[in-house]
Amino acid sequence: GIQVEQSPPDLILQEGANSTLRCNFSDSVNNLQWFHQNPWGQLINLFYIPSGTKQNGRLSATTVATERYSLLYISSSQTTDSGVYFCAAETDSWGKLQFGAGTQVVVTP
Amino acid sequence: DAGITQSPRHKVTETGTPVTLRCHQTENHRYMYWYRQDPGHGLRLIHYSYGVKDTDKGEVSDGYSVSRSKTEDFLLTLESATSSQTSVYFCAISSTSGRAGDNEQFFGPGTRLTVL
Repeated sequence: GIQVEQSPPDLILQEGANSTLRCNFSDSVNNLQWFHQNPWGQLINLFYIPSGTKQNGRLSATTVATERYSLLYISSSQTTDSGVYFCAAETDSWGKLQFGAGTQVVVTP
Repeated sequence: DAGITQSPRHKVTETGTPVTLRCHQTENHRYMYWYRQDPGHGLRLIHYSYGVKDTDKGEVSDGYSVSRSKTEDFLLTLESATSSQTSVYFCAISSTSGRAGDNEQFFGPGTRLTVL
């Protein structure tokens, strides 16, 4: 099956810094989702992005489907950005998701 | 808010006992999914459903069964719980049509299960 790899596995940022998280996938996918899991364990939808670029406040995402990767940009990071960021590839018409292992982000004041 | 609830939210049980987790949705979505989350693995699909009484296996289905007798409820059963099934279990729904590339998923709050 498809492999989804995220990098880096861990990231420590000072408040106000910018960062880029990467998601590589081993085969073509129907779509790509980014999630934020907050420290309470809740999974929050960030982006649903098969290709191109989307922006939502301080966050943006770019998926280059032909090259099989997606990037998540966090600008002017805040402590509330802490948590684990997952990308997940939609692999078939049933909508099944293959998740990466996540990037653990810690934003320090 | 996708209107997804899970019950119980926390459960401790003993090896060999049966356990049923419930996922309930209020918005009549056709597709529902059960995932488990373990350290270092992200989330992995256990079973999914594409309609009442229509279910299929995911990546890690051994030791689990599911049932969907109503659109709004998707049940996950561990027939005889083992310590390897200690995990956080998430239910998800797909908000859209079921066409390829049109299946954004939204997740419930999770159930933390500990098998002693």
